Amino acid sequence: RKEVEQDPGPFNVPEGATVAFNCTYSNSASQSFFWYRQDCRKEPKLLMSVYSSGNEDGRFTAQLNRASQYISLLIRDSKLSDSATYLCVVAWGNNRKLIWGLGTSLAVNP
Amino acid sequence: EAGVAQSPRYKIIEKRQSVAFWCNPISGHATLYWYQQILGQGPKLLIQFQNNGVVDDSQLPKDRFSAERLKGVDSTLKIQPAKLEDSAVYLCASSFLAGGSGANVLTFGAGSRLTVL
Repeated sequence: RKEVEQDPGPFNVPEGATVAFNCTYSNSASQSFFWYRQDCRKEPKLLMSVYSSGNEDGRFTAQLNRASQYISLLIRDSKLSDSATYLCVVAWGNNRKLIWGLGTSLAVNP
Repeated sequence: EAGVAQSPRYKIIEKRQSVAFWCNPISGHATLYWYQQILGQGPKLLIQFQNNGVVDDSQLPKDRFSAERLKGVDSTLKIQPAKLEDSAVYLCASSFLAGGSGANVLTFGAGSRLTVL
């Protein structure tokens, strides 16, 4: 089993749709969790950290389920500009070791 | 705040040649990372520095790749000799600290795109 797994997609959704991605991780000692966004031919940028209680930033909601060892990202009211690859990152080893998923590709269509 | 600077942005070489990439992290960031990202894949860590010490280089192909961060600030990644499979984007990132829940927010440079012919 891979340390961090994501469905590569692509997810094709119409504008205004709600879409959700999951990311599973294998190390139960994982400590911190993040979602990064990567636009085509650009560098990854932090989208949001994922807190134990769940957190929301505008149209984006991130949740952590430690029992089932996955994190999720929910995007509401999708915009064309949300089209990107969403990378899941898990940290362990006193947050010194980062494991990256392969990314989930999202295409929001007009 | 200035971002992470990388150069060159693009490099085309023939196999068996050598290439070097340079990175200057955000001022004050103790941790510097070099990642390799092949098209369609997530970033793969090559080496992680804490100041001028190596924290993790377990995935660095040491027979051909080397990296240094002599003064704990900027860093150089070298490939010698290059292979076709080294064609990728080489991303440099930095973070304020390693360890601690807020420490792993990485800021990436724009990357250096390498094509090996």
